[in-house]
Amino acid sequence: GQSLEQPSEVTAVEGAIVQINCTYQTSGFYGLSWYQQHDGGAPTFLSYNALDGLEETGRFSSFLSRSDSYGYLLLQELQMKDSASYFCAVGANTGGFKTIFGAGTRLFVKA
Amino acid sequence: DVKVTQSSRYLVKRTGEKVFLECVQDMDHENMFWYRQDPGLGLRLIYFSYDVKMKEKGDIPEGYSVSREKKERFSLILESASTNQTSMYLCASCLRVATEAFFGQGTRLTVV
Repeated sequence: GQSLEQPSEVTAVEGAIVQINCTYQTSGFYGLSWYQQHDGGAPTFLSYNALDGLEETGRFSSFLSRSDSYGYLLLQELQMKDSASYFCAVGANTGGFKTIFGAGTRLFVKA
Repeated sequence: DVKVTQSSRYLVKRTGEKVFLECVQDMDHENMFWYRQDPGLGLRLIYFSYDVKMKEKGDIPEGYSVSREKKERFSLILESASTNQTSMYLCASCLRVATEAFFGQGTRLTVV
């Protein structure tokens, strides 16, 4: 089967940098993506890594190491509005192409 | 503006009822998914479909079935609703798996 592990909760201060890690186990790995979800809202896509390395999109960056089955989301210049849940998700081809999500990391940004 | 629309935002059903949750996307995506979201458990995959009339079981298919008669519509069916199916249900679609998925606003289902 597949499994993803990420911390349940992270707290940081406004203006700081925070890193949310994700380790995964799956066969037929396709890629790693990240989503943000505010309370009461739907998950929204942040980034996608299919190859090793860093992808940067504004204040957010995402990293993947396929050999280590590991990735992280880096949030810079934290703002209060970044308080949300962040999910890593793997795409895998295991009897069909599917996307499996982790349990999510709740980020609290303090003033 | 791309859109995934779920038919209801809130639903209350009785135990034993047959429940239909509808999802429509307007992006011509081949891949569609149904997840349920419970506190501390993240999003768990119930069923997915990669083409019309094609369906695959996810991690927690028991008690659910799906229908995909048209490319834009993916329906989740609770054959006989039970209280442990009280949850938030999220539909999503994407062009290619693991790339950007678009989610509907979710249906909060309460089974009493």
